[in-house]
Formats: sequence, C-alpha cells, structure tokens
Amino acid sequence: GNSVTQMEGPVTLSEEAFLTINCTYTATGYPSLFWYVQYPGEGLQLLLKATKADDKGSNKGFEATYRKETTSFHLEKGSVQVSDSAVYFCALSARTRTNTGNQFYFGTGTSLTVIP
Amino acid sequence: DGGITQSPKYLFRKEGQNVTLSCEQNLNHDAMYWYRQDPGQGLRLIYYSQIVNDFQKGDIAEGYSVSREKKESFPLTVTSAQKNPTAFYLCASSARAGPGNYGYTFGSGTRLTVV
Repeated sequence: GNSVTQMEGPVTLSEEAFLTINCTYTATGYPSLFWYVQYPGEGLQLLLKATKADDKGSNKGFEATYRKETTSFHLEKGSVQVSDSAVYFCALSARTRTNTGNQFYFGTGTSLTVIP
Repeated sequence: DGGITQSPKYLFRKEGQNVTLSCEQNLNHDAMYWYRQDPGQGLRLIYYSQIVNDFQKGDIAEGYSVSREKKESFPLTVTSAQKNPTAFYLCASSARAGPGNYGYTFGSGTRLTVV
C-alpha cells in the first residue's frame, strides 16, 4: 500500500544550524512527493514538490530530492531561522489501492523549533 | 486573490449539539476535502467531494455529514454522534479529483472545542 514515514520530532535547533527532516515512502506506481509547512494555528502551505525521480524541489532555502532508489524525500535547509519554526509534513500523491483515483498520504508531521 | 476561506476560526460546542463548519473556495476547483488534525498526529480524511452533489466518506466519516450543493462550498456538520469532536479541522481543494502533481490548497482551519 501507500504510506509515508517521517522522522519523529520534536526537533530543536539553534539559529543558522543545518536542518534535515527524514521522509521515506512506500507507493505503487510513480508517486509525486510534497513537503507542506504548518505555522501555529494555521492551515498547511505547500513548501515544495517533486513529480519524478531525481527531481529536486526547492523553495525559501529548503530543498528535497526525490530518490527512487532509497524511496526517500528528505527535507534540508542549510541555515535555519527562528521564522522556520513550524510543523513540516511529508506527503505523497499516488493512485489508490482500488485504482479509482489519486489520493494524498500524509506523514505524521515533524515539529521544528529554532531558538535564537 | 483566490483561496479557501474557513469560518469560524474558533468554535465552541456544547455536548449534544450539532455544529457546522464553513468552507468556501474561489479557485474554481472541482474537488474539496475535509481533514481532522489531532495534537501530534497527522491528517485524517473525513469526507471528500469530487463534483457538485456528490461526496464520499473518508477514513473517519462517522459522526460527520457534508453537502456539496455548490461548487465553491463544502460545509461540514459535526453531529452529536461524534463522541470526541475537539480537534483542528482543515478544508482543502484541488483542481481535479485527487492531488495529482499539484497538491492541495488548504484553508486556515477551524479549531473546534467541546465545552
């Protein structure tokens, strides 16, 4: 079946530290992969995405590369800021088990706190 | 600017009451979704609608109801049958059924608390 496994948090980093949040997936076919960010009390915002193997998604200094061989889509940022404090969700878009359409599968989210 | 509007932002429900959460989009998206988020957990799909006047149960539909009379509106009613309704509710939409390669657009959420 389709599923996403995310690194458990919470993660606490000092400002300007390097960030990695691990995400691995299981999927049938060729999924698209996404990272969403949720700031406190808000909905989810699309951070970046990749639609095929070896694609790199990037936005606001964050990057993630679609690795088919390791079924991974790890989120990285070279230098985090206090304003990056949020919950990050990895997700994949894939055909359903019954092949009736396309559905999202979310990870459980990783909370990041950046301290000055 | 196009987007999804959820209202109210905070909602309080007494035991035994039904409450309705509003979700409106002006993106001309065909599909709309309701998710529930509990602290420290991921998102769980309640209901979704791929077209007007049609909707399907998600993974946790019991105790909830929806309608899709207009393309831009997808209200969620939390009924008294939902025994643990305190949660953060998120509405989302997509241009076509399913996230495809573009993902979903999310609203800013409604926090429902039972008092």
